[in-house]
Amino acid sequence: DIQMTQSPSSLSASVGDRVTITCRASQSINRNLNWYQQKPGKAPKLLIFGASTLQSGVPSGFSGSGSGTDFTLTISSLQPEDFATYYCQQSYSTPRSFGQGTKVESK
Amino acid sequence: EVQLVESGGGLVQPGGSLRLSCAASGFTFRSYWMYWVRQAPGKGLVLVSHINIDGSDTTYADSVRGRFTISRDNAKNTLYLQMNSLRAEDTAMYYCSRELSSAGNGPRMDSWGQGTLVTVSS
Repeated sequence: DIQMTQSPSSLSASVGDRVTITCRASQSINRNLNWYQQKPGKAPKLLIFGASTLQSGVPSGFSGSGSGTDFTLTISSLQPEDFATYYCQQSYSTPRSFGQGTKVESK
Repeated sequence: EVQLVESGGGLVQPGGSLRLSCAASGFTFRSYWMYWVRQAPGKGLVLVSHINIDGSDTTYADSVRGRFTISRDNAKNTLYLQMNSLRAEDTAMYYCSRELSSAGNGPRMDSWGQGTLVTVSS
């Protein structure tokens, strides 16, 4: 099974900051990497799929990059509504697997 | 509009059983792989189980294998999770999700239900 490791587990940032979250797979997953955002009490929401393709309706301030084993989610300028927990997920093989999450908190 | 609506959660004693349902609408249910994902209080997302389009292929997390059974009724547009021998550590919000695959793009869980809460406690 493929293990997904995110870093950091949490971070504190201010509105307007550039935020970067990394995700590493235990083996190559090509570009089969998705990012989700989850707010308290809500279901996860797909942000990015295929490592870098923005889901319809997602603000352009979000971007993803990477391939193989190392991936990055970047928020170019943190907005108030972006404080949430972010998860990466591999869709290269079954069973699918998620990273442990990165909580973005207000500094 | 794609909709996934879970039901069947509740309070159950250790060793008990529950059957979760996920009613799908707004898309051709029989064409999609489906998933159950759970989230324990204050914890991250964990894949519980998946099922392919006709139910011929399933996977389970090690923690639930042998106790949980995923199934689907494509005529009723409904996904199920039969949970037996429940333990305290199964306490979580359970979400169903569909996986979309398109040419040139990898699979992704693009739609999620609102979740149903399972609490295992005496």
